[in-house]
Amino acid sequence: GAGVSQSPSNKVTEKGKDVELRCDPISGHTALYWYRQSLGQGLEFLIYFQGNSAPDKSGLPSDRFSAERTGGSVSTLTIQRTQQEDSAVYLCASSLVVAGGSGANVLTFGAGSRLTVL
Amino acid sequence: AQSVSQHNHHVILSEAASLELGCNYSYGGTVNLFWYVQYPGQHLQLLLKYFSGDPLVKGIKGFEAEFIKSKFSFNLRKPSVQWSDTAEYFCAFYGNNRLAFGKGNQVVVIP
Repeated sequence: GAGVSQSPSNKVTEKGKDVELRCDPISGHTALYWYRQSLGQGLEFLIYFQGNSAPDKSGLPSDRFSAERTGGSVSTLTIQRTQQEDSAVYLCASSLVVAGGSGANVLTFGAGSRLTVL
Repeated sequence: AQSVSQHNHHVILSEAASLELGCNYSYGGTVNLFWYVQYPGQHLQLLLKYFSGDPLVKGIKGFEAEFIKSKFSFNLRKPSVQWSDTAEYFCAFYGNNRLAFGKGNQVVVIP
């Protein structure tokens, strides 16, 4: 697609429920990233995918958070047993250049999924 | 640990005033540096980037930034702001498989 597409744009859920957030990156982009944006915390890195593998999961805040990517394209971020502190905007980004390569990584961001946990 | 520091989180200024936003980074490797902008209600957009070469880079909408290696800085400037420059500005660098962001500068331009 022309840009990074995320869905849903808004999600309101009750504490304890599981949620899935979807990201459809720019076609052909090999690298995919998830970030969380919340007041007072800025932009926090969550996870990075190169193709279907996730060599860097170091930013996931707890084991309630997981992500997968299939077919080198669409990615899903899953939050289990949501807590109120999970309320934030979850951003997905993709880039064309392979990490560690000679080029630079220019990330293109989606509009985000705003999660509200009641 | 890699980190980015942005100063003066909230900036209020009048149209036609000059803007400078400071950014300092801490990282031991080669850095690729960026400024992203987030206009109200919109998603993050790339404003400009530095990879190598001329340390003074020009971006969209009249913005420029200067990389000073000895100071670990990448400050953003615009000589004359417009009301439409009201936005949040984020400095970032790429290292260790991620973009590391600063906390952002909320800039409000008063007509």
